[in-house]
Amino acid sequence: EAEVAQSPRYKITEKSQAVAFWCDPISGHATLYWYRQILGQGPELLVQFQDESVVDDSQLPKDRFSAERLKGVDSTLKIQPAELGDSAMYLCASSPATGARDEQFFGPGTRLTVL
Amino acid sequence: SQQGEEDPQALSIQEGENATMNCSYKTSINNLQWYRQNSGRGLVHLILIRSNEREKHSGRLRVTLDTSKKSSSLLITASRAADTASYFCATDALGANSKLTFGKGITLSVRP
Repeated sequence: EAEVAQSPRYKITEKSQAVAFWCDPISGHATLYWYRQILGQGPELLVQFQDESVVDDSQLPKDRFSAERLKGVDSTLKIQPAELGDSAMYLCASSPATGARDEQFFGPGTRLTVL
Repeated sequence: SQQGEEDPQALSIQEGENATMNCSYKTSINNLQWYRQNSGRGLVHLILIRSNEREKHSGRLRVTLDTSKKSSSLLITASRAADTASYFCATDALGANSKLTFGKGITLSVRP
C-alpha cells in the first residue's frame, strides 16, 4: 500500500540552527500539505502545494520558514533559525484532489525538539 | 484558529462498550472528516461526510452530521483496546480556499 514518506523521524537541534524536513507524497498526488502539530493540539496547516505551486502559505512564518516542491513531487520544509517554540511534530500529507474535497494521507511525521 | 471543537476532551471506556465523540464547528462547510492518531504517529483518515449527507457508516464507525446545529458525532461500536488513540474532526469550510481545519482532538482510552 502506498504511503507518504517523511524523514527524519526525529530531529534534535539547538536554537539558531537550521533544520530541514523531507516529504515524498503518494505517487500521483498533486496536492501536498505541511502541518505543524503542537503537543495536545490538532494539526495546523503551514503550507499547501498544488503540483509545484504554493496555494496557501498564509500561516507559514516566512521570516524563518520556507518550503519548496520544485518538480511537483517531493518537498522540503526548512526552518532557519530554529527557535524553542518550533518544537513540535511536523506532518506531511498528500491527496489526489484539489483542496480539501477528499481525504488526506499523512506521513509518520518528524518530531522536532529545539534545545 | 481551530474551527472544530471536540467533546469530551478525554474518554475512558471498557472494551466492548460504545464510544461517542462530538464535534462542533462555527462556519458552513463543504465536508467534515474524522481522523485517528496513535501516539507519536501520523493521522489516519476514518470517514468523510459531505454537507448534504446526514449519516455514514464504515465498519464499526457511524458518523452523523447536523448542519443546522453545526455539529457531528462519531460513534465507535464494540470498542477494542486497539481503538485507543486521539480522534480529530476536521472541517473544510465553504469559501474559495479549501483547506482542512482540525480541532484539538479527543483522547480515547479503551480498557481491556
